[in-house]
Amino acid sequence: AQSVAQPEDQVNVAEGNPLTVKCTYSVSGNPYLFWYVQYPNRGLQFLLKYITGDNLVKGSYGFEAEFNKSQTSFHLKKPSALVSDSALYFCAVRDTPYYSSASKIIFGSGTRLSIRP
Amino acid sequence: NAGVMQNPRHLVRRRGQEARLRCSPMKGHSHVYWYRQLPEEGLKFMVYLQKENIIDESGMPKERFSAEFPKEGPSILRIQQVVRGDSAAYFCASSPGGPGSETQYFGPGTRLLVL
Repeated sequence: AQSVAQPEDQVNVAEGNPLTVKCTYSVSGNPYLFWYVQYPNRGLQFLLKYITGDNLVKGSYGFEAEFNKSQTSFHLKKPSALVSDSALYFCAVRDTPYYSSASKIIFGSGTRLSIRP
Repeated sequence: NAGVMQNPRHLVRRRGQEARLRCSPMKGHSHVYWYRQLPEEGLKFMVYLQKENIIDESGMPKERFSAEFPKEGPSILRIQQVVRGDSAAYFCASSPGGPGSETQYFGPGTRLLVL
């Protein structure tokens, strides 16, 4: 079964410093990986995805993620954090049934990112 | 281009009542997914529907919960005889059929509170 793990419940970073939010995955077959962000009392916003191709994926709001097959990781990164980046971040993997290009997404438990001024 | 719409945004029900949550997918999207988020937890898949068909309901509780996506109109998630444990945020997502279907776009959610 597909799964993702986010080992950190909370990440604290000073504004202007680089940030990393960790994610590891377990999949059978080729992984379809995602990062979503959730602001308080809001829905999830899509940040970026890895399907195939370059291991470094660039997404919204200056975020990027690096797909590492040997370490089965898909860490989210940003070179310089902003206070407005403070939110709940979810790593996710798409279930891959043979019969459909669309299927459910399996989410990690989430990492709360806090950026201090 | 409106995103995924959900209503109501907040819903209060007493134990034993019925809750109906509505979701209108993005224009051109024919796939709808429902997820539930309990307080301080991640999202858990409930059901995946295409027009008039349930494709995957492996995350739906066996009793009291049902979902539909009719040919016309929004998708409906229905919870009968609600209990306090049903209090959660319910999110709908949509995707297009075919290429690009791997990305799902989420609505703002319906926050259900059962008294």
